[in-house]
Amino acid sequence: KQEVTQIPAALSVPEGENLVLNCSFTDSAIYNLQWFRQDPGKGLTSLLLIQSSQREQTSGRLNASLDKSSGRSTLYIAASQPGDSATYLCAVIGASGTYKYIFGTGTRLKVLA
Amino acid sequence: GAGVSQSPSNKVTEKGKDVELRCDPISGHTALYWYRQSLGQGLEFLIYFQGNSAPDKSGLPSDRFSAERTGGSVSTLTIQRTQQEDSAVYLCASSSKGWEQFFGPGTRLTVL
Repeated sequence: KQEVTQIPAALSVPEGENLVLNCSFTDSAIYNLQWFRQDPGKGLTSLLLIQSSQREQTSGRLNASLDKSSGRSTLYIAASQPGDSATYLCAVIGASGTYKYIFGTGTRLKVLA
Repeated sequence: GAGVSQSPSNKVTEKGKDVELRCDPISGHTALYWYRQSLGQGLEFLIYFQGNSAPDKSGLPSDRFSAERTGGSVSTLTIQRTQQEDSAVYLCASSSKGWEQFFGPGTRLTVL
């Protein structure tokens, strides 16, 4: 059974710092991995999608990497801003069966001005 | 519309009543998902529709929960005889090729 873990559970950093959020999964047979952010009381906003054949994806100040063999993904946020404060979730889709996501429990990020 | 929409945004009901939650996916998306997010918990998969295939209902927590998708577009999640433990945010997502999922804003359900 696939399990997804995110470390740390919470993180508080000063503005301008570069930071790394971690996501690990127990079954390396995944179809893709997606990173989301969730603002309080809101739905999920898609940040980056990495297909299983890819190693990384970049969008603006965000870079996500995927190491399938070790069951890990990292989300790198450069030059963090207070507007980056949110909960960050990673989710994986297994390579077999239906295309439903298994979510991690998230990292709650606070960027201090 | 431009994104996934859900209605109502908030629903307060009394224990034992039935509720219906609606999801309008992105036009043209063939897959539709329902998830539940309880306070302090992660997102829990409920049900998945893909085209005309039989839905994957493996995440539904009890037979009080059901969902349908009419005409391959709009979906309704129905909870019968609601219980207090059903209180949560219910999120809908849709996807097309590549399986990138786009989420709606959610419906916050409170069962008194």
